[in-house]
Amino acid sequence: AQTVTQSQPEMSVQEAETVTLSCTYDTSESDYYLFWYKQPPSRQMILVIRQEAYKQQNATENRFSVNFQKAAKSFSLKISDSQLGDAAMYFCAYRSAPFTGANSKLTFGKGITLSVRP
Amino acid sequence: EAGVTQFPSHSVIEKGQTVTLRCDPISGHDNLYWYRRVMGKEIKFLLHFVKESKQDESGMPNNRFLAERTGGTYSTLKVQPAELEDSGVYFCASSQGIMPDEQYFGPGTRLTVT
Repeated sequence: AQTVTQSQPEMSVQEAETVTLSCTYDTSESDYYLFWYKQPPSRQMILVIRQEAYKQQNATENRFSVNFQKAAKSFSLKISDSQLGDAAMYFCAYRSAPFTGANSKLTFGKGITLSVRP
Repeated sequence: EAGVTQFPSHSVIEKGQTVTLRCDPISGHDNLYWYRRVMGKEIKFLLHFVKESKQDESGMPNNRFLAERTGGTYSTLKVQPAELEDSGVYFCASSQGIMPDEQYFGPGTRLTVT
């Protein structure tokens, strides 16, 4: 079974600075997807960024980028130019590929609460 | 386009009572998932519907939990009888089933069993 570990329960960053959230995972599979989800205080969880394991290039979405180290089973999220609206709980998640049947479920870490100081 | 909705947003019940949670997925989404987060712990998968069929219910904790999806539209998750350890936030998610098959989450239902 796959596991996802987020060892930092809380982090804080100054507005406009950069912060990196850590995530490690364990799997015996060679093909899978990794995700970062954001859950603001209003509780609706949204997808921030996705990484396919077969892609060597790290995913980037505007101010959000990942550092995917497949051999080390590490998947960190970097938030550049932090904004007050980035304050939220961030969850790292794993999903087997392909996207069918029992492989569809997400396996989550415990999450990390990010606060942004003005 | 309306997102995933869940009702109620918060429910407080006594141990031994019954509670039914409802999830309305995004229209046209065949896949519907239930997850649960117990305080301080990971969000855990409960089950997955494809249309009205249960595709994977490996995460259901015990037979006190019953999930249904009527006509492949909305889904209900009934807990009967509720126990203290059932407290947590229950999330519903839906996806279209077409690559990249992103799961869209609802706001969750916070269940408190006293």
